[in-house]
Amino acid sequence: AQTVTQSQPEMSVQEAETVTLSCTYDTSESDYYLFWYKQPPSRQMILVIRQEAYKQQNATENRFSVNFQKAAKSFSLKISDSQLGDAAMYFCAYRVRRRGSEKLVFGKGTKLTVNP
Amino acid sequence: DVKVTQSSRYLVKRTGEKVFLECVQDMDHENMFWYRQDPGLGLRLIYFSYDVKMKEKGDIPEGYSVSREKKERFSLILESASTNQTSMYLCASSFQGGLAEAFFGQGTRLTVV
Repeated sequence: AQTVTQSQPEMSVQEAETVTLSCTYDTSESDYYLFWYKQPPSRQMILVIRQEAYKQQNATENRFSVNFQKAAKSFSLKISDSQLGDAAMYFCAYRVRRRGSEKLVFGKGTKLTVNP
Repeated sequence: DVKVTQSSRYLVKRTGEKVFLECVQDMDHENMFWYRQDPGLGLRLIYFSYDVKMKEKGDIPEGYSVSREKKERFSLILESASTNQTSMYLCASSFQGGLAEAFFGQGTRLTVV
């Protein structure tokens, strides 16, 4: 079974500083996809960034970037120039396609606090 | 805008009742998912579907069933609700294709008393 592990239940960062959230995953598949989702206190989950396992280049979306280490099965999220609006639960997710179906599995989440 | 709508925001049911949670998406997505979210446990996959009448068990299917009779609608059924099914339930949908973004509903807070 595929599993996603987020080892940091909570993290905090000062406004304008940089923070890195950790994620590791366990899989025997060679073709899969990785995501970071954000859930602000209002509860609507939204996509932050995504990465295809076949691509070596790390994905970047404005202040958000990932460090994808395929051999280590690690997919960490770096938030630069943190803003108060970045405060949320962050979930790492793994998606794999098998026999027509696509399973999307999430980790337990990391609660990020941004201090002014 | 993509919209994933869950029928209720809050629901209170009695132990032993049959409970239906409805989810409707308006983007013609093939994939639909049901998760439950509990503090400290993250999102756990209950069931998912990649086509009408097709369903697959997720990681915690016990005590639940699903129905997908139409492409836009995915229902989660608690055959006999129990107190340990008190939780936040999230529905999501996406196109097929590995990098496709999943869109989430606003969630249903179910309390079983």
